[in-house]
Amino acid sequence: DSGVTQTPKHLITATGQRVTLRCSPRSGDLSVYWYQQSLDQGLQFLIQYYNGEERAKGNILERFSAQQFPDLHSELNLSSLELGDSALYFCASSVYPTGEGSPLHFGNGTRLTVT
Amino acid sequence: AQSVTQLGSHVSVSEGALVLLRCNYSSSVPPYLFWYVQYPNQGLQLLLKYTSAATLVKGINGFEAEFKKSETSFHLTKPSAHMSDAAEYFCAVSEGGDMRFGAGTRLTVKP
Repeated sequence: DSGVTQTPKHLITATGQRVTLRCSPRSGDLSVYWYQQSLDQGLQFLIQYYNGEERAKGNILERFSAQQFPDLHSELNLSSLELGDSALYFCASSVYPTGEGSPLHFGNGTRLTVT
Repeated sequence: AQSVTQLGSHVSVSEGALVLLRCNYSSSVPPYLFWYVQYPNQGLQLLLKYTSAATLVKGINGFEAEFKKSETSFHLTKPSAHMSDAAEYFCAVSEGGDMRFGAGTRLTVKP
């Protein structure tokens, strides 16, 4: 058990809809990261937060947004969903920003299916 | 910008045989390098990490990796494969604010 909790585990929704994925980091970790995993794109870094502030941005679409709250949990909001957004979304956390050598601890992911 | 390339999307070995999973990195400065393993329906788990303290890094489950700057490589090895090693393995590099992963190598272990 990594200590990172993601909810829900599965999500099925229709095109055009909006969903929110939630992540609680491991106790004591200040950094939260979001990744998207799909068969054709592999594991893509979306965005990173450190202690409530956005720290780094990757291949995140404008339809997607995220935030980290004062209690350090994070939410990833996906809107105007398309079929191609179907993927496994992972949250990970670390004590320090990973650029300082901290490894990531991953949750078990949220599987999003857009129909 | 940093990146990693994993050579071979699928590797198949017999139980008891040597496991060698290849990873090459591209980084303008000495990087932090990692290997992760992903079992079906689970998140990634850290196997080991290189942070410049030693070029040979030992990880969990009998895996180790050697950092070779001259070859810009960080290959993962295990002397004797076990059935439970069947999984997907990811090499990753961090530099700056994020961690970038390779495409992954799926390891199959034959009895």
